[in-house]
Parts: sequence; C-alpha cells; structure tokens
Amino acid sequence: GQNIDQPTEMTATEGAIVQINCTYQTSGFNGLFWYQQHAGEAPTFLSYNVLDGLEEKGRFSSFLSRSKGYSYLLLKELQMKDSASYLCAVRDMREAAGNKLTFGGGTRVLVKP
Amino acid sequence: GAVVSQHPSRVICKSGTSVKIECRSLDFQATTMFWYRQFPKQSLMLMATSNEGSKATYEQGVEKDKFLINHASLTLSTLTVTSAHPEDSSFYICSATNLDSPNEKLFFGSGTQLSVL
Repeated sequence: GQNIDQPTEMTATEGAIVQINCTYQTSGFNGLFWYQQHAGEAPTFLSYNVLDGLEEKGRFSSFLSRSKGYSYLLLKELQMKDSASYLCAVRDMREAAGNKLTFGGGTRVLVKP
Repeated sequence: GAVVSQHPSRVICKSGTSVKIECRSLDFQATTMFWYRQFPKQSLMLMATSNEGSKATYEQGVEKDKFLINHASLTLSTLTVTSAHPEDSSFYICSATNLDSPNEKLFFGSGTQLSVL
C-alpha cells in the first residue's frame, strides 16, 4: 500500500510564498502529482514530477526527492484565488491500471488579504 | 486539452432509490476510468477502476453490488448507486486516462454532488 502525508491546513498572506510538503511511502513509485481543488469542484492538474529536482510553472513550482520520499509545492506571489485545497497524489507502477493514483488528505490553504 | 464530462452535477433523491452518474471522455478514448468519492473536507478516495469491456476492479471496502459500474465503450462509464441511503451522500468524481498518453495526468470530470434524503 501507500502512505501519503501532507499538512491539513496552512494560512498565508496575499503576495507571500507558501510551501506545502508531501511525504510518501511506496514500493513502486512512478510519479507524483499535485492538484488544486476548489470547494465543490473537481481537481485541476498543477504539476507532475517523476525525476528528482524542481519543476517550475509560472507562480507554481514542485520539487521531488525520490530517495527521501518527499515533495513540495511552492506557491509564489499568492493571490486570493489561490485559496483552495492542494492534493498530493502518487502513482504506483505496480498497479494493474497504469494511471491509478493514491491521494493524500489534501492541504487547505487560506490566503488572507 | 482533454475533456471529461460528468453529469448530473447535482442530484437529490429519496432513500431507497437508485442514481446513475455518467462519465464521458469527449475528445479522446479512455480505456480506463476511475471513480472517486469525496466527503466534505477530505481527500479523494478511489472506489473502483473501470476498464472498457471488462468488469470493474473495486477497492477494499467498496460494495460492488451497491456501486454498479459499467464501462460499455471507450468514451463512457457509468456509476449507479443502488438503493441509496443518507450515508451515501457524497461528492462523486470520475477521471479518465487518455489512451494516447497513458503516462500523462488524469483528466477529471466536474463531479456529482449526491444528497440522499
């Protein structure tokens, strides 16, 4: 099985930076995803890491260390619309269905003025 | 980008009735679709994996006779909640894998909020 941990809630100020950490344990790692989800809506894709290092996409960056079972999502220049839940998800290569993801509990980020 | 359509977006029903939710991939063929369930302020919990032309694979603890899944074509999967009860009230979300890009991200439907009275 897989165990994915991320903080439950974080609060930050508009314009600031927030880092959301995710740790995981899995025997057959095959990629880590970050999704953003606003209340009552479906998740939207933010980033994908399969190799170690930093992936940057505009205000969002995601980092992966496979040896440490660790990833973080960095949100820069926070905007009010960034208030949402951020879901860390891990894909296991051993799964029969190649794209089966296991999600962490999600981190609710509240951006304050 | 790829689009997954899910409907209805919201349904309210009486206890004991059955509810069908449809998930369609609009511009790609999806050999595999996934059905998730999400309770308020919780993350997505995988219920089952739906493969076109074969029986669905259910996660541990999910009753296959209660949550009927049919994946009749490469673009359509349905989830039927049979004899719904208030405890089945939840947000149900489907997702699909693009046959042409199996290693890419999942595409999610817009979700269905089910409320059982």
